[in-house]
Amino acid sequence: DAKTTQPTSMDCAEGRAANLPCNHSTISGNEYVYWYRQIHSQGPQYIIHGLKNNETNEMASLIITEDRKSSTLILPHATLRDTAVYYCIVRVWGNTGKLIFGQGTTLQVKP
Amino acid sequence: DTAVSQTPKYLVTQMGNDKSIKCEQNLGHDTMYWYKQDSKKFLKIMFSYNNKELIINETVPNRFSPKSPDKAHLNLHINSLELGDSAVYFCASSRRQDGETQYFGPGTRLLVL
Repeated sequence: DAKTTQPTSMDCAEGRAANLPCNHSTISGNEYVYWYRQIHSQGPQYIIHGLKNNETNEMASLIITEDRKSSTLILPHATLRDTAVYYCIVRVWGNTGKLIFGQGTTLQVKP
Repeated sequence: DTAVSQTPKYLVTQMGNDKSIKCEQNLGHDTMYWYKQDSKKFLKIMFSYNNKELIINETVPNRFSPKSPDKAHLNLHINSLELGDSAVYFCASSRRQDGETQYFGPGTRLLVL
């Protein structure tokens, strides 16, 4: 599975959009981009995933560049409860379910 | 009606002891996992079972032995506990072996003294 690079930490004001970038320049054609988050002391939580089209669900939007070498997770109206570590993971669909977690981005939402 | 539950939530024990952590999922999923999160917060997969069959076995000391009595349960038994085993252990499940969306339990915080 391709490697991902994320900023170590980011801040966001409550009510504003949080844009979390992820670089995955070695991604191959059959690899999906997944986002999970881990709120302090809890288990990781799935957010969204995509292959090449932009995706949106009730939690977030995922924007993948045309060359697929990077993506951005958007939380449209961040709340204090969105403070967490956000993990961008690239993996092949159909492989074993192994998720390889990097260091992630610690997002601090401030009032 | 918790989806993925783990017991116990906290476990404090002495070096050399043997302990078990239990995991149950009520989602009807076929695949279950154990992950370990160490003190530096790195989260790494240890094992995965699909329909009671072991499919992922990462480089884990053989003091760790997973057991899946049925597809809704995946337990982790640890023999001869060492200080370095102190960590948070997360159980997860997914509908199928290909991973899809994984649902994680609340974690078991193990402290070895």
